[in-house]
Amino acid sequence: SQTIHQWPATLVQPVGSPLSLECTVEGTSNPNLYWYRQAAGRGLQLLFYSVGIGQISSEVPQNLSASRPQDRQFILSSKKLLLSDSGFYLCAWSGGVGTEAFFGQGTRLTVV
Amino acid sequence: AQSVTQLGSHVSVSEGALVLLRCNYSSSVPPYLFWYVQYPNQGLQLLLKYTTGATLVKGINGFEAEFKKSETSFHLTKPSAHMSDAAEYFCAVSDFSPRGGSQGNLIFGKGTKLSVKP
Repeated sequence: SQTIHQWPATLVQPVGSPLSLECTVEGTSNPNLYWYRQAAGRGLQLLFYSVGIGQISSEVPQNLSASRPQDRQFILSSKKLLLSDSGFYLCAWSGGVGTEAFFGQGTRLTVV
Repeated sequence: AQSVTQLGSHVSVSEGALVLLRCNYSSSVPPYLFWYVQYPNQGLQLLLKYTTGATLVKGINGFEAEFKKSETSFHLTKPSAHMSDAAEYFCAVSDFSPRGGSQGNLIFGKGTKLSVKP
């Protein structure tokens, strides 16, 4: 069966520090991969999605970037964190167009 | 472009009462629709989905939803609420067009927090 791993679960980082969140999927190949950010009362905002290795699409301009160095690995990064980057970050995968997405457990990022 | 509106950011019901969470969608093509549940500090879990076929869809934990094209709705219901149903619920539509030009990404509503009173 397919599983998705996302870590760390919580992270407290100072303003201006770098960020790296990692997500890996097991049990499937060539998944679509996603990074979402969730803010209270605002639902889920799609940040990045990827349909293949090295293929990244950004949905909103921001201080973050994403990379997909391997088929089942998706990384969310920042060179210098801002206070506004605080939030709950969710990684997800899907089997393709029109199918449901499966989510990781999320990372609570607090920038101080 | 597809969109989702969830009516009511907070819904409170008594244990044993009917749960009704409302979702309306906007789509120029036949939609793929989903309901997810999220418990505090966790990821989202799929409750049910509608793609084609039967318009009444049954999901996990006793939930079901009915696709009504004429009303552009996909409301989530459960006959009898349980304390363990207290969570946040998200409706989503797939950004998918058979004519191409989209990736089929999920577009989420803002969520409805369900509280269950003893």
